[in-house]
Amino acid sequence: DSGVTQTPKHLITATGQRVTLRCSPRSGDLSVYWYQQSLDQGLQFLIQYYNGEERAKGNILERFSAQQFPDLHSELNLSSLELGDSALYFCASSGQVQFFGPGTRLTVL
Amino acid sequence: AQTVTQSQPEMSVQEAETVTLSCTYDTSESDYYLFWYKQPPSRQMILVIRQEAYKQQNATENRFSVNFQKAAKSFSLKISDSQLGDAAMYFCALLVSGAGNMLTFGGGTRLMVKP
Repeated sequence: DSGVTQTPKHLITATGQRVTLRCSPRSGDLSVYWYQQSLDQGLQFLIQYYNGEERAKGNILERFSAQQFPDLHSELNLSSLELGDSALYFCASSGQVQFFGPGTRLTVL
Repeated sequence: AQTVTQSQPEMSVQEAETVTLSCTYDTSESDYYLFWYKQPPSRQMILVIRQEAYKQQNATENRFSVNFQKAAKSFSLKISDSQLGDAAMYFCALLVSGAGNMLTFGGGTRLMVKP
């Protein structure tokens, strides 16, 4: 158990919909990283938050957004979903050694 | 920009034997870290081993060791006494300090362990 929690484990939705993925970092960790793992793109960094502020952005679509709350949990919002957004979304916490949550598998039908 | 390349999409090893997974990377930065993560069928990402670029000594964690060749930008993972539980996808990853600390991953190597 990495200490990083993610909910839900699975999400099935339709194209055009909006979903929210939730992540709680390890106790004491201020940083949260979001990654997407898809068959065609592999594992890609999306966005990082540190103590409530956005620190770095990767290949994140404009339809996607994230935030980190005062209690340090983070949410990744995906809107206007397309079939190609189907993927495993990971959250990781800590800094130079990142520990991953179990992931949320998103299926867009 | 950083890149990580794993040239072996699949590898196979006999139980109790040794196998080496290859990884090359590219970065112009001098302060960075390299990692191997394991992803079993459960899809959980599990940290296997970590190497700081400034350390010349190769990292070792039980049956797992790395061969870090900084000049060649090579970072291979050796698994000794392979076990059935080692069967998984293995990802090599690079983290450049100060550049957001995000991980750049290779495409992965699927390791099969034959009994």
